[in-house]
Amino acid sequence: AQSVTQPDIHITVSEGASLELRCNYSYGATPYLFWYVQSPGQGLQLLLKYFSGDTLVQGIKGFEAEFKRSQSSFNLRKPSVHWSDAAEYFCAGYDYKLSFGAGTTVTVRA
Amino acid sequence: DAEITQSPRHKITETGRQVTLACHQTWNHNNMFWYRQDLGHGLRLIHYSYGVQDTNKGEVSDGYSVSRSNTEDLPLTLESAASSQTSVYFCASSESGDHEQFFGPGTRLTVL
Repeated sequence: AQSVTQPDIHITVSEGASLELRCNYSYGATPYLFWYVQSPGQGLQLLLKYFSGDTLVQGIKGFEAEFKRSQSSFNLRKPSVHWSDAAEYFCAGYDYKLSFGAGTTVTVRA
Repeated sequence: DAEITQSPRHKITETGRQVTLACHQTWNHNNMFWYRQDLGHGLRLIHYSYGVQDTNKGEVSDGYSVSRSNTEDLPLTLESAASSQTSVYFCASSESGDHEQFFGPGTRLTVL
């Protein structure tokens, strides 16, 4: 089945440090790919999306993601994490429906 | 501003009862979706609709039904609630031909 996988269940990072969240996809063609963030008790908010073109995508809140076809990956990055970035992050891919990874919980320590 | 709302935000019910969760969007989107979120599973698609009178089953549709009588609303009904349906439910919508989905705030349902 075509899907996305997030290998890391939980990541802890110090405030001000860089963050990278991994996402791997298994689609035959280039899929539509998304990263969403979910703050505690909230719905999902779109951070960024990739459909085609430039493989480095800029999103909101200072996040970016890079599409690498050779590695079937779409990793999310932020150069300097703020305490407010503590949340759960979901990678999602679309072929005929939107399929979500299991999510990565990010904890930010002072 | 356009938005998508869900009600109630929290619901406790008993096994065997019928429960309906409301979803209302003011984006005027044709596409609407219902997901459930469970630990370790991310979001899983329950039902979806591409327009009025159109409904389709998702990957975890057993025990759930939807109906679409207008563009704005897609209520989700649990015919006979089971403890396995304790979850957080999210409604989402998107424009036709656009795969970006906008999510509601969620409904936390507990079935005792």
